[in-house]
Amino acid sequence: DTEVTQTPKHLVMGMTNKKSLKCEQHMGHRAMYWYKQKAKKPPELMFVYSYEKLSINESVPSRFSPECPNSSLLNLHLHALQPEDSALYLCASSSLAGGYEQYFGPGTRLTVT
Amino acid sequence: AQSVTQLDSQVPVFEEAPVELRCNYSSSVSVYLFWYVQYPNQGLQLLLKYLSGSTLVKGINGFEAEFNKSQTSFHLRKPSVHISDTAEYFCAVSDPTGNQFYFGTGTSLTVIP
Repeated sequence: DTEVTQTPKHLVMGMTNKKSLKCEQHMGHRAMYWYKQKAKKPPELMFVYSYEKLSINESVPSRFSPECPNSSLLNLHLHALQPEDSALYLCASSSLAGGYEQYFGPGTRLTVT
Repeated sequence: AQSVTQLDSQVPVFEEAPVELRCNYSSSVSVYLFWYVQYPNQGLQLLLKYLSGSTLVKGINGFEAEFNKSQTSFHLRKPSVHISDTAEYFCAVSDPTGNQFYFGTGTSLTVIP
């Protein structure tokens, strides 16, 4: 099973709302990633978790807060977002045992109004 | 940091014709190389990868790529495209630690009936 699942598929939120994106994988991968993708652009790395610890934060604004409750789950908490944060948010996972290919979820389409 | 160049932002091709999507990367050290495909409103799907060994790599959906170390290239090819191949294609490079992916800017392949 090489599936990464993400919920919700679509999310519309106001600038004062608090919401969370969820990601899950059952491949035993120990690295998980959040990416932001604008239309017709490559994914931009936001955060990397290795062995449930935050290892990379690409200078992401604090209105985005990641959380890794266990090795299978990754959350992204959203608060006080701006309209320019509207994008496709992709989760990915990879094995740290070699190969390093990343497996991506289908994404959450976020619209901030 | 690595850089990945996909020279062709858009490639139109007639159905059943061959296609080549070009990818060049900057590093002279060992890297891992990947091609991903993204269909509209979906996540990224791994097409193929090069880690070591044979320089000709075969992937899913009839795609193949050739690693050329001297030219730091990893071009993607398919001998006969189908309408269903219409999508965005991303080349990616991972550093030897696997900590980070570097994506190219993407090539939009449009297959014309």
